[in-house]
Amino acid sequence: GQQLNQSPQSMFIQEGEDVSMNCTSSSIFNTWLWYKQDPGEGPVLLIALYKAGELTSNGRLTAQFGITRKDSFLNISASIPSDVGIYFCAAPAGRGANNLFFGTGTRLTVIP
Amino acid sequence: GAGVSQSPSNKVTEKGKDVELRCDPISGHTALYWYRQSLGQGLEFLIYFQGNSAPDKSGLPSDRFSAERTGGSVSTLTIQRTQQEDSAVYLCASSKTGGTEAFFGQGTRLTVV
Repeated sequence: GQQLNQSPQSMFIQEGEDVSMNCTSSSIFNTWLWYKQDPGEGPVLLIALYKAGELTSNGRLTAQFGITRKDSFLNISASIPSDVGIYFCAAPAGRGANNLFFGTGTRLTVIP
Repeated sequence: GAGVSQSPSNKVTEKGKDVELRCDPISGHTALYWYRQSLGQGLEFLIYFQGNSAPDKSGLPSDRFSAERTGGSVSTLTIQRTQQEDSAVYLCASSKTGGTEAFFGQGTRLTVV
């Protein structure tokens, strides 16, 4: 089945630094979603992408839908302590099958 | 309701007992998903409901797991004869249609002792 590989698995950065993470697959997708999960909470949707090449921002977050449709990227600028958490990418299973699969996650730690 | 609601928020049960976990999706959302998350791990897909279509049960780990969605709204995930390896957070999500932006509940933390 589909597998969404996220990298890096974990990151330790200084407050104020920019962050980049990505999600790749061997399959083509028409939608990419990025979520953040705080400890003890359910994942929260950050950004949704629906078109190859699309670049969408949400505050300090910017996500891009890769032109090959097999990958997506999430950038966080000027990180702050509350950015700490696990970031997941997600994509629907395939044409006509709209179950959502999730990536393996990137755990972000911001050092004040 | 305004968001996805799950109950109970925490459940401790003895090994071998059955448990039922409930999910109230966002009103009007036709798609509903159940996931399981073990400590420090990613989201493991369990089951997906879309409207009146037959559910996608391909992620259920064993026949001890089952789920229903009554009237296209509330869903119940049932685990029979619970085992210690069933201990995890069970997350429910809903979306307007399948494959689009899904919104999660807070989850039910299940501990089997």
